[in-house]
Amino acid sequence: DVKVTQSSRYLVKRTGEKVFLECVQDMDHENMFWYRQDPGLGLRLIYFSYDVKMKEKGDIPEGYSVSREKKERFSLILESASTNQTSMYLCASSLWVTSGNTIYFGEGSWLTVV
Amino acid sequence: AQTVTQSQPEMSVQEAETVTLSCTYDTSESDYYLFWYKQPPSRQMILVIRQEAYKQQNATENRFSVNFQKAAKSFSLKISDSQLGDAAMYFCAYRSVQGAQKLVFGQGTRLTINP
Repeated sequence: DVKVTQSSRYLVKRTGEKVFLECVQDMDHENMFWYRQDPGLGLRLIYFSYDVKMKEKGDIPEGYSVSREKKERFSLILESASTNQTSMYLCASSLWVTSGNTIYFGEGSWLTVV
Repeated sequence: AQTVTQSQPEMSVQEAETVTLSCTYDTSESDYYLFWYKQPPSRQMILVIRQEAYKQQNATENRFSVNFQKAAKSFSLKISDSQLGDAAMYFCAYRSVQGAQKLVFGQGTRLTINP
């Protein structure tokens, strides 16, 4: 089974802290994604990466950055956390093929910024 | 840019009955994929069903089927013989064939199953 693992399920951070959310996949997928989920807004794409050291902005990149130093790991970084970044964060991965291959999701990380 | 709209924030259905969740989308592309994902309380997103836009035949997976109307840009999900385990958030999603292959999601519909 494909496994996408988000190391932290629940985090509470203070305003202004630097926050790292880690994601690891075990299926040698080229694509990795970070989404943010908020009630009534669905999932919105923050950043994605289609190769090591490659990254592309999604729809809501402001206040976030990412790092992909190894193929299996994709980190989301909040340089200075703010209360409006309190949310559920979902990591996902998929193969880079042109067919409608499945995107696999992690279990999510609940981040509360106080 | 593509957009996906789910106009029903919440739906409920009696156990063993049939329910249809609505989804519309906007795109200028002719080839793409559409998905329905289920998110139970555990928060793990699960792929329910997938539809290729170039296929006229509606996809089915056991009790789950879609009504894909390409001209109307509509992609509804029908759940037959609803079960308590079907209770979840359901998300409709769009994916381009080319480019970044990212999923564009709708707002979600919370489905409640009444015993």
